[in-house]
Amino acid sequence: DAMVIQNPRYQVTQFGKPVTLSCSQTLNHNVMYWYQQKSSQAPKLLFHYYDKDFNNEADTPDNFQSRRPNTSFCFLDIRSPGLGDAAMYLCATSRDTGGVLAKNIQYFGAGTRLSVL
Amino acid sequence: DQQVKQNSPSLSVQEGRISILNCDYTNSMFDYFLWYKKYPAEGPTFLISISSIKDKNEDGRFTVFLNKSAKHLSLHIVPSQPGDSAVYFCAASLSGNTPLVFGKGTRLSVIA
Repeated sequence: DAMVIQNPRYQVTQFGKPVTLSCSQTLNHNVMYWYQQKSSQAPKLLFHYYDKDFNNEADTPDNFQSRRPNTSFCFLDIRSPGLGDAAMYLCATSRDTGGVLAKNIQYFGAGTRLSVL
Repeated sequence: DQQVKQNSPSLSVQEGRISILNCDYTNSMFDYFLWYKKYPAEGPTFLISISSIKDKNEDGRFTVFLNKSAKHLSLHIVPSQPGDSAVYFCAASLSGNTPLVFGKGTRLSVIA
């Protein structure tokens, strides 16, 4: 089945120790997104790629970086994790072709829960 | 400043009854609204959507109503089933391929 896969499902890192979360997709979608979700909060968009074009949200801290080496893979790098970065990180994809509905539906991975000690 | 608000963190409903989940938004430029369902340990999955040019969209047991003048939408599930127990997120977008703006979610519990 075509899907969005996030690895690892759970990640523990130390305060200040760089960490990378990964996302892969078999849907061949051009658009990929990274969201941060804290407990009982709405998923918050960090950035998204429209193909190779990177779009950073204005309030995304510089501590968060992203790479998309090809259509299938996208990485979230947290350069110096702080305690406040502990959260669920969700990757999503969407099509850039088709009708309005097709373009609006985002397909999510199961997320990576990050703990910072 | 939350542009999409789900003011009820949780809702409990008896099996077989109607579940009504509400969502309010502040940006009148939103033109597409979606509902996502999330089970524990899984990512959100798309459930149903509505375009701003419509006021109702129905898919099986799920119906979404949109009241543009009130900037309010609701998701009706009837009849509710125990398998519907999940967190439901309301989301809005300005147009295709622009990022979705999510609400905080409402946890629905359907009691057998």
